[in-house]
Amino acid sequence: DAGVIQSPRHEVTEMGQEVTLRCKPISGHDYLFWYRQTMMRGLELLIYFNNNVPIDDSGMPEDRFSAKMPNASFSTLKIQPSEPRDSAVYFCASRPLAGGIEETQYFGPGTRLLVL
Amino acid sequence: GENVEQHPSTLSVQEGDSAVIKCTYSDSASNYFPWYKQELGKGPQLIIDIRSNVGEKKDQRIAVTLNKTAKHFSLHITETQPEDSAVYFCAASNIALSNSNYQLIWGAGTKLIIKP
Repeated sequence: DAGVIQSPRHEVTEMGQEVTLRCKPISGHDYLFWYRQTMMRGLELLIYFNNNVPIDDSGMPEDRFSAKMPNASFSTLKIQPSEPRDSAVYFCASRPLAGGIEETQYFGPGTRLLVL
Repeated sequence: GENVEQHPSTLSVQEGDSAVIKCTYSDSASNYFPWYKQELGKGPQLIIDIRSNVGEKKDQRIAVTLNKTAKHFSLHITETQPEDSAVYFCAASNIALSNSNYQLIWGAGTKLIIKP
C-alpha cells in the first residue's frame, strides 16, 4: 500500500479564499483523523471518522472548518473563508479497527497551508 | 479529561550518549501509551508503544518505561545516532475493547538534537 495520501502538499492562498485539503486513507482502515500542527499549539485533533461517520468534531475550531468523508477511500477538509491564523500543517491519519491488535495511527505527509 | 505533559521541549545530546524524554498523564484510566517520531517534513510515525499491564518494553536501542502509580512514562534512546534527530511525541489513551472509538491525547513534543 502507498500509505496515507494527501494533496496538495503545499497550498498558498489569500485570506478569504476557500481551501480544500484531500486525503486518501490506507485501504481497509476504518478510522480517519484530521490533525493540525502549529508551533504554538502543537498537534491538535480536529475531527475523526469511523466508517465514514464523524465521531468527534469537537476539535474543529470554527464553523469555517468542515470535513466530509463521502466514502471509505476519500475525505476532505474545507476552510471557507480562510484566515492567516489557519496557516499550519494539516495531517490526515488512518487506523484499522481497534481490538487490541493494531492501534497504530498512520500519518500522511501533510499539507502545508499558508494563508496570506 | 486527559492531559499529557512532555519534557523537555528541546534536548541536545552528544552522539553515542543516551536520551530520555518524560511524559506525565492525568487520567488514571489511561492504558495505552505510544511514542511517535516526526522527521523534518514528514508525518509522525509510531516507534514504540506500551500498555498499562507492563512496566517496560524494549526494541533495539529504544525502550519505554511506565510508572502507573506516578502516572508517568519515559522514552529512552541509547547509543544515539544522527538519524535519531527528530521531534518525538508521547500520547495517552484509554482503550476499551468494547469501544474502539478512542482518540490519542498528545504531548507537546520534544525536539531531539544529536550533536556529532
